[in-house]
Amino acid sequence: NAGVTQTPKFRVLKTGQSMTLLCAQDMNHEYMYWYRQDPGMGLRLIHYSVGEGTTAKGEVPDGYNVSRLKKQNFLLGLESAAPSQTSVYFCASRITGTTGELFFGEGSRLTVL
Amino acid sequence: QKEVEQDPGPLSVPEGAIVSLNCTYSNSAFQYFMWYRQYSRKGPELLMYTYSSGNKEDGRFTAQVDKSSKYISLFIRDSQPSDSATYLCAMGSPSGTYKYIFGTGTRLKVLA
Repeated sequence: NAGVTQTPKFRVLKTGQSMTLLCAQDMNHEYMYWYRQDPGMGLRLIHYSVGEGTTAKGEVPDGYNVSRLKKQNFLLGLESAAPSQTSVYFCASRITGTTGELFFGEGSRLTVL
Repeated sequence: QKEVEQDPGPLSVPEGAIVSLNCTYSNSAFQYFMWYRQYSRKGPELLMYTYSSGNKEDGRFTAQVDKSSKYISLFIRDSQPSDSATYLCAMGSPSGTYKYIFGTGTRLKVLA
């Protein structure tokens, strides 16, 4: 049972390049989330999804897009990367309802030069 | 003012010490309170979960929630070097927004 898997784990981009981070979960969870973690800022929610085909903006959505075409996958896209998007990105998932344990992936470290 | 405030540390303690980690919050709608532990270069993992006010104990860990003061705590007894990690508090409300708000995390180092 892999849980939440993120790919790639590391990536270096130049300003203006695009890329997609993939999150896959094998727990049949409805809810999925993308966070970024920066020193002194904690975990900040970028986008989230409460089910296949649905997405919503979180706290810091600008510069990112997401898609949830399949229940088990949640993609985070950067169309034109900026140095301010240098961060560690975490994907998480949980069961349906107002509360429940968040299961996190191991993170994707992105550097934008 | 942030919804959730947490001292970033770092906090260094000798092995065997009692550790107290704390968060304050401003949103009175929060009902679910969690503590996540994050080891270096890993994802956070749930350590403790508490609903509403009161205490919850699990082995060496005790979580306390004081809703009247909007203050939550995590106590670690007989701390071990393996407890060295960043501890993040997280909170949620039953409003149906499906989101948790995280503190910035406190870095803890337990010295052998």
